[in-house]
Amino acid sequence: GIQVEQSPPDLILQEGANSTLRCNFSDSVNNLQWFHQNPWGQLINLFYIPSGTKQNGRLSATTVATERYSLLYISSSQTTDSGVYFCAVERGETSGSRLTFGEGTQLTVNP
Amino acid sequence: NAGVTQTPKFQVLKTGQSMTLQCAQDMNHNSMYWYRQDPGMGLRLIYYSASEGTTDKGEVPNGYNVSRLNKREFSLRLESAAPSQTSVYFCATTVATPLHFGNGTRLTVT
Repeated sequence: GIQVEQSPPDLILQEGANSTLRCNFSDSVNNLQWFHQNPWGQLINLFYIPSGTKQNGRLSATTVATERYSLLYISSSQTTDSGVYFCAVERGETSGSRLTFGEGTQLTVNP
Repeated sequence: NAGVTQTPKFQVLKTGQSMTLQCAQDMNHNSMYWYRQDPGMGLRLIYYSASEGTTDKGEVPNGYNVSRLNKREFSLRLESAAPSQTSVYFCATTVATPLHFGNGTRLTVT
């Protein structure tokens, strides 16, 4: 099956700093999503981004499908950004959405 | 509008006991999924249902059964719980994209 590798595994920032999280995948995909799992365990969908660039407030994401990677940018980080960020991808039809998840990046933002 | 609702939130079972995890959605989505999350790992797909009346195995289906009762409800059953099934279980739904998750069920098997 498809392999998903996220880096770095852990990241510690001071409030206000910027960061870039990376997701590499081993095969072509037509579905890629980024999720944030907050410290209470809730999983929130951040982006659906199989290709191109999207922005939502302080967060933006870019996927370069031909080179098999995606980047999540967090600018002016806040303590509420802490948690685990997951990348998930799928080959094949989008309607089934059988996403394969990476192991995540644990982000800690200190005040 | 509750989105995706999972019950119970917490459960402790003894080895060999059975239980059913419930998931209901009010988003009118066709596809529903059960994932498990273990410490330090991403989510792994147990079973999914692309539409009412259909179910398929995911990456880790052994020891589980599912029922897609109707469009709204998708349940996960452990017939004989084992300590290896201690995990956090998430239900999710989608209509194509993106994926929406419930708040999870934390299950401990002793």
